[in-house]
Amino acid sequence: GQQVMQIPQYQHVQEGEDFTTYCNSSTTLSNIQWYKQRPGGHPVFLIQLVKSGEVKKQKRLTFQFGEAKKNSSLHITATQTTDVGTYFCYFADKLIFGTGTRLQVFP
Amino acid sequence: ETGVTQSPTHLIKTRGQQVTLRCSSQSGHNTVSWYQQALGQGPQFIFQYYREEENGRGNFPPRFSGLQFPNYSSELNVNALELDDSALYLCASSSTENTEAFFGQGTRLTVV
Repeated sequence: GQQVMQIPQYQHVQEGEDFTTYCNSSTTLSNIQWYKQRPGGHPVFLIQLVKSGEVKKQKRLTFQFGEAKKNSSLHITATQTTDVGTYFCYFADKLIFGTGTRLQVFP
Repeated sequence: ETGVTQSPTHLIKTRGQQVTLRCSSQSGHNTVSWYQQALGQGPQFIFQYYREEENGRGNFPPRFSGLQFPNYSSELNVNALELDDSALYLCASSSTENTEAFFGQGTRLTVV
């Protein structure tokens, strides 16, 4: 099936370090959503971005939608062990999930 | 808790058998989507139902079929199971196609 590549595929960080995952589309998107899936769990909605260049913040998480609405990023400042999981972008109008970035945080 | 419940939580079937997975959507949601998630992969879209009609389908063969009922709950049926069908099957409900999706806990299907 079709999936969108996210980079990196894996990221191991020391607690307190920052983390960023990137998601790219070859076509313009109407919106993008981000989900987090803890190990053994199910995807949980984090945010939806709709506007070109939009930036939204949730505590230590910053989400950005590219000016051309073809790419997006999720940045976590000062990671904590509770941030462990896989982060997926999702193109709702194409019904496609990204391949995900698995984040591991070492205390 | 999302309010989306799936049953059963785990299932073991033999190759060639048929299986039915169930999903109760969150109250007020009329759109249900089904996904297959293989180990270490992202969820793959199977199909979506909106008000009892199929509203989109991913790249899955016809032996994957579904239903949505008047109360917006849904079923996923898979015929002639293959070993590669072993995966976590996720159901998600939303109020429309393009809004936040609430996922159930999933059904872990193992085909032996």
